[in-house]
Amino acid sequence: KAGVTQTPRYLIKTRGQQVTLSCSPISGHRSVSWYQQTPGQGLQFLFEYFSETQRNKGNFPGRFSGRQFSNSRSEMNVSTLELGDSALYLCASSFAQGNSSYGYTFGSGTRLTVV
Amino acid sequence: AQKITQTQPGMFVQEKEAVTLDCTYDTSDPSYGLFWYKQPSSGEMIFLIYQGSYDQQNATEGRYSLNFQKARKSANLVISASQLGDSAMYFCAMREKTSYDKVIFGPGTSLSVIP
Repeated sequence: KAGVTQTPRYLIKTRGQQVTLSCSPISGHRSVSWYQQTPGQGLQFLFEYFSETQRNKGNFPGRFSGRQFSNSRSEMNVSTLELGDSALYLCASSFAQGNSSYGYTFGSGTRLTVV
Repeated sequence: AQKITQTQPGMFVQEKEAVTLDCTYDTSDPSYGLFWYKQPSSGEMIFLIYQGSYDQQNATEGRYSLNFQKARKSANLVISASQLGDSAMYFCAMREKTSYDKVIFGPGTSLSVIP
């Protein structure tokens, strides 16, 4: 069974540009979450989607947005990139909702560098 | 407020020895789940073990066991018979029932296994 697929793996953008990252969850997983990982801040929760609806949102500015499609694939967009947006962006999918023993399955991440 | 605390930024362990990675958490939700993830230098997050707040027994998965002390709000990971491939970052994480699939992570502990 295919894992969580994130594209692209690496990305270099300049300040002020925008970027779109893609995540395809494991087949059957309806929940997709996004995280930003930096050496200084660790893993920071961005948002979580379930059945095309955003259920949870972290403390990030409005430049960070996301969406989920009917096939559960998700995209996140960052507009007006800043140098501080350089990070590893991780997508994770989950089968069950609520409190269960199903952990996240993570993708390999997209490493974004803003220059 | 920080909900997950991992007080050991870095740990060293001799190969074949056991090691305990500490994790304390804070929640007022009676229903929650606790997870441990491993992140090797490749960047991928690997799910290791899960403990539910109502589980009566400590979780075990192969060489991994979780020392769950509910009253003290601690969920330490014990790795027995350490291997060189265990060298990685280890993250403790929590999901509260009221937060659906939002999982928050601790700052992580870097484990180095010495031959």
